[in-house]
Amino acid sequence: DIQMTQSPSTLSASVGDRVTLTCRASQSISSWLAWYQQKPGKAPKLLMFKASTLDRGVPSRFSGSGFGTEFTLTISGLQPEDFATYYCQQYNNYPLTFGGGTKVETK
Amino acid sequence: QITLKESGPALVKPTQTLTLTCSFSGFSLTTSGEGVGWIRQPPGKALEWLAVIYWNDDKSYSPSLRSRLTITKDTSKDQVVLAMTNMDPVDTATYFCANLGRSWYIRDWGQGTLVTVSS
Repeated sequence: DIQMTQSPSTLSASVGDRVTLTCRASQSISSWLAWYQQKPGKAPKLLMFKASTLDRGVPSRFSGSGFGTEFTLTISGLQPEDFATYYCQQYNNYPLTFGGGTKVETK
Repeated sequence: QITLKESGPALVKPTQTLTLTCSFSGFSLTTSGEGVGWIRQPPGKALEWLAVIYWNDDKSYSPSLRSRLTITKDTSKDQVVLAMTNMDPVDTATYFCANLGRSWYIRDWGQGTLVTVSS
């Protein structure tokens, strides 16, 4: 199985901040990485796929980068609605695996 | 518009078998490339992928849970059923079903159903 490791597990930030979340894969997954945002009591929402392609309707303040084993999700200008938990997921092969999540909380 | 909804018991006893149904609309499991998967999330913890079934009846299971899981489809009802045997309190989680197409990332999720395992 491909292990996905996210860091940090918690990130404290303020509205307007630029924040960067990291996701590492235990082996190369090319660009087959997705990012999700999840709020309490809700299903995850797809933000990005193929490491850097924004899903439809996702604000442009979200951006993704990376290839192989190291990936980042950046939020440029954090908005109140962005405080949530973010998960990465590899879909290079089965079993699909998710990272442990990064919770973005209010500083 | 794709929608999915999970149904099943909210409470099961240890050692029992959990049976969850995913009812969906907006796509068909008779269409090439379409699939439905299950993902779970224990309270306060991360997402864990469980199983997927595809239009051609191909299936894949989480290696750590393979011996306990069975996934089936009923194309006439647009439903997918997940059975998990020998339930334990550590299996307490919200169980989500999702549409998985050729790309294997997940755009469309059900709302999730919380299953508690307790005697």
